[in-house]
Amino acid sequence: QVQLKESGPGLVQPSQTLSLTCTVSGLSLTSNSVSWIRQPPGKGLEWMGVIWSNGGTDYNSAIKSRLSISRDTSKSQVFLKMNSLQTEDTAMYFCALDFDYWGQGVMVTVSS
Amino acid sequence: DIVMTQTPSSQAVSAGEKVTMSCKSSQSLLYSENKKNYLAWYQQKPGQSPKLLISWASTRESGVPDRFIGSGSGTDFTLTISSVQAEDLAVYYCEQYYDTPLTFGSGTKLEIK
Repeated sequence: QVQLKESGPGLVQPSQTLSLTCTVSGLSLTSNSVSWIRQPPGKGLEWMGVIWSNGGTDYNSAIKSRLSISRDTSKSQVFLKMNSLQTEDTAMYFCALDFDYWGQGVMVTVSS
Repeated sequence: DIVMTQTPSSQAVSAGEKVTMSCKSSQSLLYSENKKNYLAWYQQKPGQSPKLLISWASTRESGVPDRFIGSGSGTDFTLTISSVQAEDLAVYYCEQYYDTPLTFGSGTKLEIK
């Protein structure tokens, strides 16, 4: 059974760095890609970036300068780091494996 | 970036009715070498994560009811629900994976009368 679970802080202060973890079970990260997608409250979906099965990455150009995605295949975990957070970064953050499997999401609020 | 435009933004139908929703892309999603359209449809029910319904524009995922039908090619795509059920209350998103950045449409909210 494939499962993805996001974890991280629910509250981040403006200008600080967000760090999230996506823990994957049931499938290998070396055979599948993992994307991060976010959704502001009441709004649509925004693809943030992907780490491919070969470890390469691609990012949304709108946030590329602030974003980094990495992984630890031994722990089956994918990491998201985004700096210089602002209130407009308040959103539900999802990870998805090949878009077939999604985590439940983690709500991140940017506020002082 | 490829822009995905979905219409209508919301739609209200009665159970048993047929509903169609549109998704248009700013450039063709048809890859000439394999003749595949790089277009997916997702269903997001209230309070849930999105669920992949259809990939390659018309291929239903395992377990998806056959009342969900994807069609179209190139830049124009349609999701049809042949006989809407109460559990189909959701927002439906199209997404292109032809090129990065992957982009989603703004969604069509389906309401049941």
